[in-house]
Formats: sequence, C-alpha cells, structure tokens
Amino acid sequence: QITLKESGPTLVKPTQTLTLTCTFSGFSFSTDKVGVAWIRQPPGKALEWLALIYWDDDKRYSPSLESRVTISKDTSKKEVVLTMTNMDPEDTATYYCAHSPYNFGPNWFDPWGQGILVTVSS
Amino acid sequence: ETVMTQFPATLSVSPGERVTLSCRASQSVSTHLAWYQQKPGQAPRLLIYGASTRATGIPARFSGSGSGTEFTLTISSLQSADFAVYYCQQYYNRPAWTFGQGTRVEIK
Repeated sequence: QITLKESGPTLVKPTQTLTLTCTFSGFSFSTDKVGVAWIRQPPGKALEWLALIYWDDDKRYSPSLESRVTISKDTSKKEVVLTMTNMDPEDTATYYCAHSPYNFGPNWFDPWGQGILVTVSS
Repeated sequence: ETVMTQFPATLSVSPGERVTLSCRASQSVSTHLAWYQQKPGQAPRLLIYGASTRATGIPARFSGSGSGTEFTLTISSLQSADFAVYYCQQYYNRPAWTFGQGTRVEIK
C-alpha cells in the first residue's frame, strides 16, 4: 500500500522561503520507476500542479512558478522536498504530494497525501 | 500550456439521476486524461485514467470516454456519496500537468 504524508510549517511570513517534506512508503526510488509530484489548492479554488521529480532525478516544473520552486529527493529517507521562495499571501493553499506511476511518459497522480494547509501572513 | 475547461461549473442533481460532466482541452491530449473526485476537507481521489480506465476500487457507475480534446465523465446513477467536486487533468503535453477548474455536483 502506497502512502504519502506532507509536513512542514503551517504559517510563513511574506518573503520567506517555504520548505515542505513529503514522506512516503510503499515504493522506492531505488527500485521503482515512479515520480512524486507537488500540487496545491488555494481555499475554494482549483488544483495547480507545481513540480514533479522522477526516480532518475529528472525534474519538471510549472512554467509559471519555475523561478521560485525547487524539488529534490532523498532516496534513502524516502522523502521528497519542495522549496518555494519569496512566499506571498496568494501562495496560501493546501499543498499535496502525490505518487505518479511512470510508463514511458508522464502519468496521473495516485494516491495523494492528506495535504498540509500553509498560510502566508505577517 | 494546455488549458483544460470543465463545464458546467455546477450541477444540481437528485440521487439516482444520470450525470454527465464535460472536459475540453485546448489542444489534443490523446487519451492522456484523468478524472478525480474531491470531497470537502479531503485530498483528491483518482477515478479514471487513460480517459476510460477505472482506477482500483472505483465503482462501475463511474465511466469515462473521449479522446483528443473532448472528454466526459458519466455517473450512471448518482449516489449520496458522489456529491463532490470533480476535476479533469491532462498528462500529455509537456512541460505541465494541468487541471480543469472543476465541476461541483450538488444535491438538487
């Protein structure tokens, strides 16, 4: 069974850097061709994909946020880390990480973590 | 970037009714299209991938169809557990995975 869980601060100040960690179980970057993505959802709004990292360290970023976002992984710890710089109140959202299977190309997200609500406020 | 447009934004339906949700892509995504269900306070759940393949554990009343730029999600007989927001997502055109704005299915 694959599970993922997000952790990190729930309140950050404007201009600060956000660092979120996704800790997963049920798969491994060292043995499985998979990806882990970050997606966010502002309160009452739609889902927005942010970044994805594959088992081979290939990384993909949303063009609109590429200058602010970095994704990395720690294979031995089974963690994927997202950093987002220069946080703004408009970045207030629930941040999800999700598993993505790989089959010679990008795929859907399943399952998702429970999400973590991050509020940006002074 | 491929823009995904869902319509209608809201559907008011009664339990037992047949429901059809639509999703349109701004350029062809072949059949690289997924549908998710999201209930309040919960993470999205995968329903359909490959435009028409049900994910593990998804009831048969959910079905997906379409290819290219036009897709539909059909719920054959709406149950109380199905009132939620539904999102489509394309995973064909790089660099981005993009979601639609969602369709809310509410009780009539």
